Amino acid sequence: GEDVEQSLFLSVREGDSSVINCTYTDSSSTYLYWYKQEPGAGLQLLTYIFSNMDMKQDQRLTVLLNKKDKHLSLRIADTQTGDSAIYFCAEGGTGGSYIPTFGRGTSLIVHP
Amino acid sequence: GAVVSQHPSWVICKSGTSVKIECRSLDFQATTMFWYRQFPKQSLMLMATSNEGSKATYEQGVEKDKFLINHASLTLSTLTVTSAHPEDSSFYICSARGRQSNYGYTFGSGTRLTVV
Repeated sequence: GEDVEQSLFLSVREGDSSVINCTYTDSSSTYLYWYKQEPGAGLQLLTYIFSNMDMKQDQRLTVLLNKKDKHLSLRIADTQTGDSAIYFCAEGGTGGSYIPTFGRGTSLIVHP
Repeated sequence: GAVVSQHPSWVICKSGTSVKIECRSLDFQATTMFWYRQFPKQSLMLMATSNEGSKATYEQGVEKDKFLINHASLTLSTLTVTSAHPEDSSFYICSARGRQSNYGYTFGSGTRLTVV
């Protein structure tokens, strides 16, 4: 079945860049997503990338997709303490019956 | 953007009682709703998927008689935890998907259920 893998923890210093990596197995994924979850809250969509794109940039966020290797990354530039959260990678597709698959989440800790 | 309102945010109930959690899509039609359960420091566990007007499809191991899901309209889905027990204590999150898949899956803010 489909599988999405992420490292569980990442610790960075405030002001540095953070890179969160994700690998997936379903080559038919149409969209790949990054979600952010703060403590006690639901998931917030940060950004998504269509599977025929290599890169997408949105302010401090840069998503890189290597479709051949099924590797997705999220880079956060100038990481702030407010970026501390759990980041989930997810893959999904079109069609009402397509069930998204989430990774286990990467806990990002930003320290001064 | 797409918004899903989930209520209540937290609830404490006694063992044996039932609890209903609501999710409403405020500005789009939710053709598909997903209900997840999240354990501390763990990922989302999909419990069931429901399409508007149809019976929910439950994942293996999820008791359909215990976790009742209703998706009667394109803007409302409910999860009822029946005869709750302490082991049902968890964080429950709904997610809605509209007709345009590039919006991703919009999540509710979650419900913290504590059964005492």
